[in-house]
Amino acid sequence: DGGITQSPKYLFRKEGQNVTLSCEQNLNHDAMYWYRQDPGQGLRLIYYSQIVNDFQKGDIAEGYSVSREKKESFPLTVTSAQKNPTAFYLCASSVPTVQPEQFFGPGTRLTVL
Amino acid sequence: KQEVTQIPAALSVPEGENLVLNCSFTDSAIYNLQWFRQDPGKGLTSLLLIQSSQREQTSGRLNASLDKSSGRSTLYIAASQPGDSATYLCATPLTDKLIFGTGTRLQVFP
Repeated sequence: DGGITQSPKYLFRKEGQNVTLSCEQNLNHDAMYWYRQDPGQGLRLIYYSQIVNDFQKGDIAEGYSVSREKKESFPLTVTSAQKNPTAFYLCASSVPTVQPEQFFGPGTRLTVL
Repeated sequence: KQEVTQIPAALSVPEGENLVLNCSFTDSAIYNLQWFRQDPGKGLTSLLLIQSSQREQTSGRLNASLDKSSGRSTLYIAASQPGDSATYLCATPLTDKLIFGTGTRLQVFP
């Protein structure tokens, strides 16, 4: 089955720790995205990548880092510099056309203890 | 700057009713508009995508319309069922990203 997988489903972090969220896709999509979802605020873009070894900051990139070494993978690291990391994190992918339709993974819920 | 608004924020209806969910956007120069469904604690499922040249799209009991001149899209759900209970989000692309509304949380009770 083609799709997007995210792991883990739930993640707990102590203050001061870095954690990495996994996102893998087998849709052969070039573009991948990370969004953060908070109650009542909708989805906000953290980082995106249109091609391997290239990525751009979104609207709320501070305190986060990414890498894109493989087409299929786009891991997100939440660093200790992110002051309020508790949220639901969603990964998406698309074919980078002028009118992209994005497909989403199941999400990772991160909680800071 | 594109802003997307969804009204109402929440809706609770009895089973069988026909529903209309609204999505408004401030910049009418859009490429497309996408409707998603999100179940609690889950990812987003794409329901319908309307291209800028189209007026509506249909999938089963769902019909989405697009009026670019007025900056509005509506999602029509016919004969609602308890299984339709979820949050519905609309989004439109701006350069390399999607701009999302805050969603309409729908509850359909038996």
